Amino acid sequence: GNSVTQMEGPVTLSEEAFLTINCTYTATGYPSLFWYVQYPGEGLQLLLKATKADDKGSNKGFEATYRKETTSFHLEKGSVQVSDSAVYFCALRGPSGSARQLTFGSGTQLTVLP
Amino acid sequence: DTGVSQDPRHKITKRGQNVTFRCDPISEHNRLYWYRQTLGQGPEFLTYFQNEAQLEKSRLLSDRFSAERPKGSFSTLEIQRTEQGDSAMYLCASSPGQGAGEQFFGPGTRLTVL
Repeated sequence: GNSVTQMEGPVTLSEEAFLTINCTYTATGYPSLFWYVQYPGEGLQLLLKATKADDKGSNKGFEATYRKETTSFHLEKGSVQVSDSAVYFCALRGPSGSARQLTFGSGTQLTVLP
Repeated sequence: DTGVSQDPRHKITKRGQNVTFRCDPISEHNRLYWYRQTLGQGPEFLTYFQNEAQLEKSRLLSDRFSAERPKGSFSTLEIQRTEQGDSAMYLCASSPGQGAGEQFFGPGTRLTVL
């Protein structure tokens, strides 16, 4: 079945530091890949997505590239801000014709210090 | 606000009681999903509707759980004879019938079973 393995947290960085959160997946075919963010006390929000190999999703300074050869979708940001403190979830959805639900990783808690 | 809404936001109940949660999806979305999230974990899929038809159910959805989506609009999730292990955040998400399959999440209902 489908699975997502995400970098263990928590991660603590200083403001303006470079961020990488690793995500690898197991799936048949070509899944769609997503990063969701959950701010304290709020619901999950879609941060970015990629639907095919070598696609780069980007939003709010965050980027992730769909790497089929390494089955990875690592999240990066060049300069984090205190407001980026949240829990980040990597997720996949199977290709068309397969299960419709999202499979999530366990989440990575990010804390950015001023 | 045209996002996904859930009611109630919080529910505290005693073991053995029945509870019911409601989800109102984004109006033009025909797909609706329920997930459960426990502390420190990513959301886990429970069940999925396309319009009014319940098309998939997870093995996590025991006989005590039932979900409906009458007329393909709002959905309800009922838990009968609640157990302490049912304590979790119950998330609802919706998605349109086309596109990459990104799902839009509500704020969740936090259930505490005493």
